[in-house]
Amino acid sequence: ETGVTQSPTHLIKTRGQQVTLRCSSQSGHNTVSWYQQALGQGPQFIFQYYREEENGRGNFPPRFSGLQFPNYSSELNVNALELDDSALYLCASSLEAYTEAFFGQGTRLTVV
Amino acid sequence: DAKTTQPPSMDCAEGRAANLPCNHSTISGNEYVYWYRQIHSQGPQYIIHGLKNNETNEMASLIITEDRKSSTLILPHATLRDTAVYYCIVRYPMDSNYQLIWGAGTKLIIKP
Repeated sequence: ETGVTQSPTHLIKTRGQQVTLRCSSQSGHNTVSWYQQALGQGPQFIFQYYREEENGRGNFPPRFSGLQFPNYSSELNVNALELDDSALYLCASSLEAYTEAFFGQGTRLTVV
Repeated sequence: DAKTTQPPSMDCAEGRAANLPCNHSTISGNEYVYWYRQIHSQGPQYIIHGLKNNETNEMASLIITEDRKSSTLILPHATLRDTAVYYCIVRYPMDSNYQLIWGAGTKLIIKP
């Protein structure tokens, strides 16, 4: 157990819909990163939040957005869902932006 | 593109040491080597990281060559529960941030 919790664990959405995924970081951690993992591949970095501000972004379109709250929990929002957005979405928290990251169990998103 | 190269799969007998190699020939002086593993359908689990000295913790040992172009993760007494995909990652500084860039990893199968 890493102390990082994600909700929901599974989700089915229709193409074109919007989705919000949630992450509660480990106590004391001020940095949250989000990753997308397609089946059979390694995770791909979406973005990172440090003390409520986005401070790094991978190669994902603007319809992927996020928030970090004062308690350092976080949300990932995806608009206009596409079939290729079907994946495991992973949240990781770390004590600081440059320290090791601890992952939650992920949210399995299926877009139909 | 991932900055590391790992064999796609390896087998190891239960109770023996599992040695997982990783090449990171383009690593720069301030980049760390991180190892994570992912058991099927779970979030990645942090194992160990290092810069240039060998490191050991309760899970594993990390041996980094003197030129830092490759490393080996050692699980000293592998058990069936160590069956997982193991990822070797070079921490890539992006502006002031530190995203993790993942490859496809090594699928390690521990055999009884």
